[in-house]
Amino acid sequence: DAKTTQPPSMDCAEGRAANLPCNHSTISGNEYVYWYRQIHSQGPQYIIHGLKNNETNEMASLIITEDRKSSTLILPHATLRDTAVYYCIVRPRVIIGTSYGKLTFGQGTILTVHP
Amino acid sequence: EAQVTQNPRYLITVTGKKLTVTCSQNMNHEYMSWYRQDPGLGLRQIYYSMNVEVTDKGDVPEGYKVSRKEKRNFPLILESPSPNQTSLYFCASSNRGPGNEQFFGPGTRLTVL
Repeated sequence: DAKTTQPPSMDCAEGRAANLPCNHSTISGNEYVYWYRQIHSQGPQYIIHGLKNNETNEMASLIITEDRKSSTLILPHATLRDTAVYYCIVRPRVIIGTSYGKLTFGQGTILTVHP
Repeated sequence: EAQVTQNPRYLITVTGKKLTVTCSQNMNHEYMSWYRQDPGLGLRQIYYSMNVEVTDKGDVPEGYKVSRKEKRNFPLILESPSPNQTSLYFCASSNRGPGNEQFFGPGTRLTVL
């Protein structure tokens, strides 16, 4: 699986957009980009995923560069409850044997939303 | 309500005393997985299962066993726990297929003395 690189921490003011970058320069054509977050010590929560097109759902938007080597998760109006660790993960698109099952979390970005 | 449940949520035990952490999902998911989380190391996959009777090692399988006899259950077994297995454990499940999100359980905090 491709390795991802994220800044260790970021701050954001409440009500402003939070833009979390992720570098995945070794991503292959059959790998999706996923974002999860973990609030305190709760189980990680799925946010969004994409392959090459930009994606938006009720939680966030995902912008993937044309060369797919990096992406940005956007929380359009951050709230205090968005304070969490955000993980960017790449994951195989095609099931090859049992390799699909391996999901690798990096260190993530600690996002702190302040009043 | 669709969910992944784990039991127990908290456990303090002693070295060498066999224990099982249960995981159950009610979403008919084929794929299930166990992770451990340690400070500074993030989440690391222990074992995963693509379907009933199909399991495979993740990144840190040593000292753990799993079984998948039923689709909904994926217990994690520590035959002889040691203090280095003190950790926060998460179970997860999803449908097979590349576009499916994983649902995580609430976590089990294990302390081995």
